[in-house]
Parts: sequence; structure tokens; C-alpha cells
Amino acid sequence: EPEVTQTPSHQVTQMGQEVILRCVPISNHLYFYWYRQILGQKVEFLVSFYNNEISEKSEIFDDQFSVERPDGSNFTLKIRSTKLEDSAMYFCASSSGTANQETQYFGPGTRLLVL
Amino acid sequence: AQSVSQHNHHVILSEAASLELGCNYSYGGTVNLFWYVQYPGQHLQLLLKYFSGDPLVKGIKGFEAEFIKSKFSFNLRKPSVQWSDTAEYFCAVNARGGADGLTFGKGTHLIIQP
Repeated sequence: EPEVTQTPSHQVTQMGQEVILRCVPISNHLYFYWYRQILGQKVEFLVSFYNNEISEKSEIFDDQFSVERPDGSNFTLKIRSTKLEDSAMYFCASSSGTANQETQYFGPGTRLLVL
Repeated sequence: AQSVSQHNHHVILSEAASLELGCNYSYGGTVNLFWYVQYPGQHLQLLLKYFSGDPLVKGIKGFEAEFIKSKFSFNLRKPSVQWSDTAEYFCAVNARGGADGLTFGKGTHLIIQP
């Protein structure tokens, strides 16, 4: 069964550094998402991406964040200058987006720790 | 703005007990409703979903949920839980007709004692 994959599984970085989190969505899916889950809190939507552009973003997704689909398979989340409060689990998801069947399938997550 | 409320943050049950996890949502339009499960050390997996039609939906592993529109609720049920059901359960919602981001509840940590 096709799965969403994410790399790395864990990332430790210094405050102020840039990080890139990578995701490979399910191959025939058209919609891609990033979510985050700060320890002990709920999963929060960051951004959705369709047809090579952002289709929706939350208040959390400010100028320090960016997303990109650099090739036909990868979907990346870049955090330009990390802050302590960016420490969280980051989940990628994808969906086929066909006629109301918007089930989103999640990857295993990247645990980001900012020191 | 959408919001999802899960009433129980921690639930402890014995094996074979019946389970009901509450979920209420707030949204002005038509919604899609989901329950996801996260087993220890694993990623979020879809348990079941409701888009339209029969308000009683059945999912994997014997779980079911009932959409009650008048109560804005989508409670998850299982008649007899197993130790392997120990996990975090998340209710989520998004707007029908688009591919919007999901709004999640805070989750319910379910522990099944053998």
C-alpha cells in the first residue's frame, strides 16, 4: 500500500539555523499538506499546496516558513530561522482531492528539536 | 473558524469494556469528519470518515462513529476494546467540497489495561 514518507525522522538544530523537512507524498495525489504537533498539544494545520502553489495557510505559517515541490516527487517545508518554539513534530500529508474524497494520508513525521 | 472539541483527554478501560469517545465540532457549513488513531511510535492512521449518506460509519478494527448533525457530534465507539487499542485518538474536520486543512481536536489518550 502506498505511503507518505518523511525524512529525516529526527532533526536537531541550533536556534537561528535553517532547516528543510522533506516529504514524498503518495504518487498520484494532488494535494499536499504540512501540520505540526507541539509536544502535549493538538495537531495544527500549517499549509496546503496544490498545482504548485499554496492553496491555504494558517496563521502559524508566517514568513519564516516556505514550501516547495522541487521535482515530481518531493514536497519540502523550509523554516528559515528556527526559534525554540518551532520544536515540534512535523507531519506531511497528501490527498487525491477527487470529488469530495478528501481523505488525507499522513507520513510518520519529523521530530524537530531547536536548541 | 472551525473548532473541534474532544471531551476526554485520558481514558483508561479494561479489556472487553465498551468505548465511546466524544467529539463535537463547530462550523457553519457542511463538513467532512474523521477519526485518526496514532499508536505508540507510529504515525496518524485513518480509522474512519464521514462525508455524506448513512450517518453511522464503520471503520477499521471494529470501530464505528455516528454523525448527529443536530448535536454537531461525531462520537467514536467500539463495543469491546482490546489491549492493542491503546493509542491516541484524534477527531478532525474540514469543509466539504475543498481540500482544506484539517482542524483537529486535542486528542484522547486511551489506555487499555489487560
